[in-house]
Amino acid sequence: AQRVTQPEKLLSVFKGAPVELKCNYSYSGSPELFWYVQYSRQRLQLLLRHISRESIKGFTADLNKGETSFHLKKPFAQEEDSAMYYCALAGSSNTGKLIFGQGTTLQVKP
Amino acid sequence: GAGVSQSPSNKVTEKGKDVELRCDPISGHTALYWYRQSLGQGLEFLIYFQGNSAPDKSGLPSDRFSAERTGGSVSTLTIQRTQQEDSAVYLCASRGLTGELFFGEGSRLTVL
Repeated sequence: AQRVTQPEKLLSVFKGAPVELKCNYSYSGSPELFWYVQYSRQRLQLLLRHISRESIKGFTADLNKGETSFHLKKPFAQEEDSAMYYCALAGSSNTGKLIFGQGTTLQVKP
Repeated sequence: GAGVSQSPSNKVTEKGKDVELRCDPISGHTALYWYRQSLGQGLEFLIYFQGNSAPDKSGLPSDRFSAERTGGSVSTLTIQRTQQEDSAVYLCASRGLTGELFFGEGSRLTVL
């Protein structure tokens, strides 16, 4: 079965500290993975996707097929990073249907 | 429009009533999705429409839920005989050419 697990509901760090939001997936084929973010009072939006291999707002995520993980990292957290983060897996039917994790709330304290 | 539009933004209803939620996707986007967002449950896939193909209804939680998409554009999600466990934010998204999903602001449903 295809599944996305985000083990932390809440992650609280101080400004300037490193951040790692964990994501593990279960999928038998070649996965396509995404991170979506929802800032307070804003709509859910794409943050980054693994095939782009890019850094957005200082965040990066590396696909580790051996550990079936796609953790989101940032070396120095900023207060404006506070938001809800969802990891998502594209399903096998090539429909673009995304399977989302339960989400992690990142709280960056001043 | 500039983005995916959903209405109503908030809906409070009594248990047992029917509700309709509307989604107007980005013009030209042929794929449309409905998700349900609730505390502790993350984002739950409900249904997917692609052009004239039969919709993927595999995520609908019960036969009280249905959705249609008329003219390949606007979609309506209908919940019949609402229950308290239906309370959630219902999100609609349409898919762009790069595969990115563009979400609406959601319809918050509260069933009393």
